[in-house]
Amino acid sequence: NAGVTQTPKFRVLKTGQSMTLLCAQDMNHEYMYWYRQDPGMGLRLIHYSVGEGTTAKGEVPDGYNVSRLKKQNFLLGLESAAPSQTSVYFCASSPARASGRTDNEQFFGPGTRLTVL
Amino acid sequence: LAKTTQPISMDSYEGQEVNITCSHNNIATNDYITWYQQFPSQGPRFIIQGYKTKVTNEVASLFIPADRKSSTLSLPRVSLSDTAVYYCLGFSGNTGKLIFGQGTTLQVKP
Repeated sequence: NAGVTQTPKFRVLKTGQSMTLLCAQDMNHEYMYWYRQDPGMGLRLIHYSVGEGTTAKGEVPDGYNVSRLKKQNFLLGLESAAPSQTSVYFCASSPARASGRTDNEQFFGPGTRLTVL
Repeated sequence: LAKTTQPISMDSYEGQEVNITCSHNNIATNDYITWYQQFPSQGPRFIIQGYKTKVTNEVASLFIPADRKSSTLSLPRVSLSDTAVYYCLGFSGNTGKLIFGQGTTLQVKP
């Protein structure tokens, strides 16, 4: 199993450009998450999904959109990139609580380093 | 979700036991306490999770007193490879959402 993979690993954008970050997981997890991490800070939740076809806002959703058309994929879109969106983006997935698990091990991808000039 | 407070940084030496304490005064009845580890340029990795009393796995132990207003992560006999950022988080059982703080940067010295 590859676990959680993210595409691309690095990207440089100009202000106003758009792009989509792809997250894929092969663990059949129900829940998926997008975080951003700025230097010296912890991760902040952007959007998350509790199942195929559903999405919800996290702490810092402004300027981002997401889609979960397939269970294994979670896409993060930036419609008009701004320098304030320069960050490292992490995707994560976890099984649903309904699966009987009481823990919450989120499995993280390797991250995408995005620079907006 | 519980807001957590932990030290910004800690130093230790190889072979020592390290205890990192986290405060979560407003923890809700349904919240679990979860700890993650993050190495530079990598995503966080789950270490341990507990609700109350003591939990132990092959990596660490987690102590949560009866009032659940704090918790302590214990790393036995640390090595240089344990140098990382350690996050104490509250976990919502309904959505699986985690709220990360700044974490504790642990520096293990030879």
